[in-house]
Amino acid sequence: DAKTTQPTSMDCAEGRAANLPCNHSTISGNEYVYWYRQIHSQGPQYIIHGLKNNETNEMASLIITEDRKSSTLILPHATLRDTAVYYCIVKAFGSSASKIIFGSGTRLSIRP
Amino acid sequence: GAVVSQHPSWVICKSGTSVKIECRSLDFQATTMFWYRQFPKQSLMLMATSNEGSKATYEQGVEKDKFLINHASLTLSTLTVTSAHPEDSSFYICSARPRDSPSGGYTFGSGTRLTVV
Repeated sequence: DAKTTQPTSMDCAEGRAANLPCNHSTISGNEYVYWYRQIHSQGPQYIIHGLKNNETNEMASLIITEDRKSSTLILPHATLRDTAVYYCIVKAFGSSASKIIFGSGTRLSIRP
Repeated sequence: GAVVSQHPSWVICKSGTSVKIECRSLDFQATTMFWYRQFPKQSLMLMATSNEGSKATYEQGVEKDKFLINHASLTLSTLTVTSAHPEDSSFYICSARPRDSPSGGYTFGSGTRLTVV
């Protein structure tokens, strides 16, 4: 799986959009970009994933650059409950036996 | 959606005793489950891959005789921390993914906080 680079921490004002960047310059053609988040003392939660097109769901939007070497997770209206560590993972879809290795992630703090 | 249940959510045990943590896939079958450990302010570290009906695959540096994994059915994997010591105190998390998951995303349990005193 390709390596990813994320800022260690970020903060955002409540109600504003939180934009979390991720670099994955060695991504392969069959690898997807996945985002998970972990709220304190809970298990990680799947947010969104994409291959090359931008994606949106009820939680967030994912913008992937045309060369696929970087992406941005957007939380459109951040709330205090979005305070968490966000992990960007690049991975081929693979089988259910394919493991996930977590990097350090970005610690997002939402300020009132 | 796919749900993974972990039990117990927290446990305190005495040094030298063994502790068993259960991980269940509630609405899907999981031939493979994953066990992670997380220390405070650190990321999740993969410990082992649990395979239904066969031996678990351990990551480098993880003692298989200390962390016993049993995956006896398609919906249950257990992690037993044997002869626990204070340094084993950590947050343990399991994960699985339905074979037909449309997103390819993994579902995680809520975690088990182990404190060894």
